[in-house]
Amino acid sequence: GQNIDQPTEMTATEGAIVQINCTYQTSGFNGLFWYQQHAGEAPTFLSYNVLDGLEEKGRFSSFLSRSKGYSYLLLKELQMKDSASYLCAVRDGNKLVFGAGTILRVKS
Amino acid sequence: GAVVSQHPSWVICKSGTSVKIECRSLDFQATTMFWYRQFPKQSLMLMATSNEGSKATYEQGVEKDKFLINHASLTLSTLTVTSAHPEDSSFYICSASGGYGYTFGSGTRLTVV
Repeated sequence: GQNIDQPTEMTATEGAIVQINCTYQTSGFNGLFWYQQHAGEAPTFLSYNVLDGLEEKGRFSSFLSRSKGYSYLLLKELQMKDSASYLCAVRDGNKLVFGAGTILRVKS
Repeated sequence: GAVVSQHPSWVICKSGTSVKIECRSLDFQATTMFWYRQFPKQSLMLMATSNEGSKATYEQGVEKDKFLINHASLTLSTLTVTSAHPEDSSFYICSASGGYGYTFGSGTRLTVV
């Protein structure tokens, strides 16, 4: 079966750092994606990990441990516009399987 | 960068009618397109995978006769919701695969009244 777990909601303060965790158990694994989605809009790509380790891209970083079935997305210097849903997705074969998403609320 | 155009962005239809949603890859050839459905405050649920020139592969629990998918060219896939009912009201999103990445359309908000 496919199981991807993320926290449902998180709240953080503007300027702070927040880490969103994702654990997965899937029948196959060809990489892990993180997407940002604002309400009523399509997801936008944030990061991709296929090998273990940390990928850094500006204010966003993503980490993967394949042996632990674990990933996290790290957001630094939080801004109000970062308030959105963050989706963890595992590529199994050629299709993406999404977690339920984490709603991040950034407060001033 | 890769762009996927999805139309319409929103549609309201009467119960029992059919609605067609188009998904086009504008600057790349998409050998595979995916159709998702998303209910409020929930994640994207894959409905089907379509490959150009062949029949779509539907996920378990998705009625293939109700959600007709056509992928006639490398740049166009369509999803037709037949005999729509209020419970089909949802946000439908397509995604096109080119290379290792996935590019999403802007989504279609379907409301069946």
